[in-house]
Amino acid sequence: DIVMTQTPLSSPVTLGQPASISCRSSQSLVHSDGNTYLSWVQQRPGQPPRLLIYKISNRFSGVPDRFSGSGAGTDFTLKISRVEAEDVGVYYCMQVTQFPLTFGGGTKVELK
Amino acid sequence: EVQLVESGGGLEQPGGSLRLSCAASGFTFSSYSMNWVRQAPGKGLEWVSYISSSSSTIYYADSVKGRFTISRDNAKNSLYLQMNSLRDEDTAVYYCARLRGDRTWDYWGQGTLVTVSS
Repeated sequence: DIVMTQTPLSSPVTLGQPASISCRSSQSLVHSDGNTYLSWVQQRPGQPPRLLIYKISNRFSGVPDRFSGSGAGTDFTLKISRVEAEDVGVYYCMQVTQFPLTFGGGTKVELK
Repeated sequence: EVQLVESGGGLEQPGGSLRLSCAASGFTFSSYSMNWVRQAPGKGLEWVSYISSSSSTIYYADSVKGRFTISRDNAKNSLYLQMNSLRDEDTAVYYCARLRGDRTWDYWGQGTLVTVSS
């Protein structure tokens, strides 16, 4: 199984400041079709998960451009350029390259 | 508007059974693969099961293999999860999620809570 490791576990941030979350996979997420199926989801308190980024760097419909994804192979990053109050929640990376599908443990973004 | 609405959760004793449903609307259900994902109280996300659009391909997490069965009825726009031999550790909110052809989980339901306790 592919293990997804996120750091940090918690990220206290000041409104308007940037935030960055790292995600590392135990093996390459490059699929045999050449795509890398790494996504990021956001879960606000009391809400279901919501897709932010797919295939490393593609923002889903309606996602603000302050969210960006990057990386390749086994190392990936989600960045929030300027944190807003509505960004508070837990962020998960997830791989859809290979079954069983796996998630990172989550990173809690909270305000200082 | 894409909507996924789960139902069927509740309190069940260890060893018991429950059947979850996910009603889909706002899209051509028969064209999409679907998944069940769960989240234990205060914990992270755990993938449970996958079913292809035609039901020809099915996968399970090891933690539920042999106890849970995923199925779908494309005529009724519905996804199901039959959960047998329930254990305490199956206690979680269960979400259904849509999977696009490019392996993107683009929509999730609101979830249904399953509590396994004596």
